[in-house]
Amino acid sequence: ETGVTQTPRHLVMGMTNKKSLKCEQHLGHNAMYWYKQSAKKPLELMFVYNFKEQTENNSVPSRFSPECPNSSHLFLHLHTLQPEDSALYLCASSQAGTSGTYEQFFGPGTRLTVL
Amino acid sequence: KQEVTQIPAALSVPEGENLVLNCSFTDSAIYNLQWFRQDPGKGLTSLLLIQSSQREQTSGRLNASLDKSSGRSTLYIAASQPGDSATYLCAVRILTGGGNKLTFGTGTQLKVEL
Repeated sequence: ETGVTQTPRHLVMGMTNKKSLKCEQHLGHNAMYWYKQSAKKPLELMFVYNFKEQTENNSVPSRFSPECPNSSHLFLHLHTLQPEDSALYLCASSQAGTSGTYEQFFGPGTRLTVL
Repeated sequence: KQEVTQIPAALSVPEGENLVLNCSFTDSAIYNLQWFRQDPGKGLTSLLLIQSSQREQTSGRLNASLDKSSGRSTLYIAASQPGDSATYLCAVRILTGGGNKLTFGTGTQLKVEL
């Protein structure tokens, strides 16, 4: 596999379910990101991890819980979601550091529907 | 707070036409700017990245320009093809204490017709 992969690609869950989204990058990067893309709205940054440490939480509700066990894997644990959380969730990775472009490479996304 | 605006929101052109997509941002203190393409229900594909010290970047039929002082960027697509139909997103990057942050526009939805 190459690039950034995300599983599952589609997920339907009830408001009381617990599920997890998975992201894996095969680019040797050390920064990973979660974004939310809702209809008619710009992509919203949710979380940033640099060298496995969370460096940004963009005021995301606690029903979204990220986990970054190593530089290649990123999870988003979901529990007690609301219908308005239905969206496309995108993962990205980049090279962290003090120089360079920080160009981010995106996965295909997980289309989440909360019933 | 950085805001990114893209005009037009949607555009339909006949095949072969040259076209320009516009992006403006409110805070000129950016590190770089990135143009992406997104196909329906898919992830983002990076097209071009322009550093703040650069004026333009080219890749094939695509040319992106940056006027940082006026807060504007344009994406020029030459000889458009039906395969260019997609949503084009502009994003500006700033550096933060923890790394970097991208702020996205809402995109321009392009349709190239036969």
